[in-house]
Amino acid sequence: KAGVTQTPRYLIKTRGQQVTLSCSPISGHRSVSWYQQTPGQGLQFLFEYFSETQRNKGNFPGRFSGRQFSNSRSEMNVSTLELGDSALYLCASRGQLSTDTQYFGPGTRLTVL
Amino acid sequence: QQQVKQSPQSLIVQKGGIPIINCAYENTAFDYFPWYQQFPGKGPALLIAIRPDVSEKKEGRFTISFNKSAKQFSLHIMDSQPGDSATYFCAASIGGANNLFFGTGTRLTVIP
Repeated sequence: KAGVTQTPRYLIKTRGQQVTLSCSPISGHRSVSWYQQTPGQGLQFLFEYFSETQRNKGNFPGRFSGRQFSNSRSEMNVSTLELGDSALYLCASRGQLSTDTQYFGPGTRLTVL
Repeated sequence: QQQVKQSPQSLIVQKGGIPIINCAYENTAFDYFPWYQQFPGKGPALLIAIRPDVSEKKEGRFTISFNKSAKQFSLHIMDSQPGDSATYFCAASIGGANNLFFGTGTRLTVIP
């Protein structure tokens, strides 16, 4: 079974731009979560989507948004980029049971200049 | 506010040693406590997880000890190997493996 894939793996943007990251979950998984990882703040939960609906949301500004498609693929968008948005953005997928394991992708490394 | 506090920040042990990483939490509603291992350039991978109805869980060389009254849990790695050198994260959540609150991570180095 293929793992969680994320594209692109690396991205360089400048302040004020917007960016869209993509995540393809493990086949059959309907839950997709996004996390931001930085050296200072560690891993922080952004939001979770399940069957195209946002089910949970972390404490991030509205510049961070996401969506999920009918095939469970998910995209995350960050508008008006700030220097502090430089981070590794991780996507994780899991099955629909609360006892299911969450599997992480390799992440997208975003650098904002 | 850090929901899960993890220590130490870094740890160096000799091959065969037993590194211990500790985590503490405040929210008594947490009911799922996983440990993740992350290698450079990779996403975190689940090692082992525990729920508060048990005090210990072993999987291979990895053991979680859980103290519900103290709101603490720890990871022990038996017979550590150089290949165990990685960053380890504890986490906690309510109602399953979604919306995980992570500790700040422990960078483990196992010296041959």
